[in-house]
Amino acid sequence: GAVVSQHPSWVICKSGTSVKIECRSLDFQATTMFWYRQFPKQSLMLMATSNEGSKATYEQGVEKDKFLINHASLTLSTLTVTSAHPEDSSFYICSARDRSGRPLWEQYFGPGTRLTVT
Amino acid sequence: GIQVEQSPPDLILQEGANSTLRCNFSDSVNNLQWFHQNPWGQLINLFYIPSGTKQNGRLSATTVATERYSLLYISSSQTTDSGVYFCALMEYGNKLVFGAGTILRVKS
Repeated sequence: GAVVSQHPSWVICKSGTSVKIECRSLDFQATTMFWYRQFPKQSLMLMATSNEGSKATYEQGVEKDKFLINHASLTLSTLTVTSAHPEDSSFYICSARDRSGRPLWEQYFGPGTRLTVT
Repeated sequence: GIQVEQSPPDLILQEGANSTLRCNFSDSVNNLQWFHQNPWGQLINLFYIPSGTKQNGRLSATTVATERYSLLYISSSQTTDSGVYFCALMEYGNKLVFGAGTILRVKS
């Protein structure tokens, strides 16, 4: 159990276009979903936290108008990178917390989406 | 915020060797976790270890919260152990702060 999927697993887009990444909890309902960004050979940096039905909370330095997060249901959160530029190329990872009384520390991670902007 | 430091940054092992990875942290929090990120990018939780020692097969972890460090032991390493090992702690708002990671390569 506790599987999180991401789609697509990799995407190449042209500079100036927008790209949407989906994060789904497949067998549980996720109270909270988290979006991370990971540059090559670097650590994961939290971008934003999203709770179902409410606006996402962005970390300092993350442009909320550029990285649009929608958490419309208990099993789906989306990250849209708007007007993408080459510097947005990165590995984007989501994680989810099970709402059914699991411990707060427990997060389940998706497999990641590799975005390349040309 | 919490500072998390990991050492060594890189490690190359011959298959069958043992290793110890270290995680130092700045605050006296009690929610440390160890993760393994495989070469394809998937993160797997290895241990939730706020204090004490836990073992899972060839892996074990020890956290001494009062001294603000944790150790991850890998015994009889296998090529499938390759990847990046992260420790992480939960900050306010249930936000996970990751260390920089240790890149492990196990050679056959």
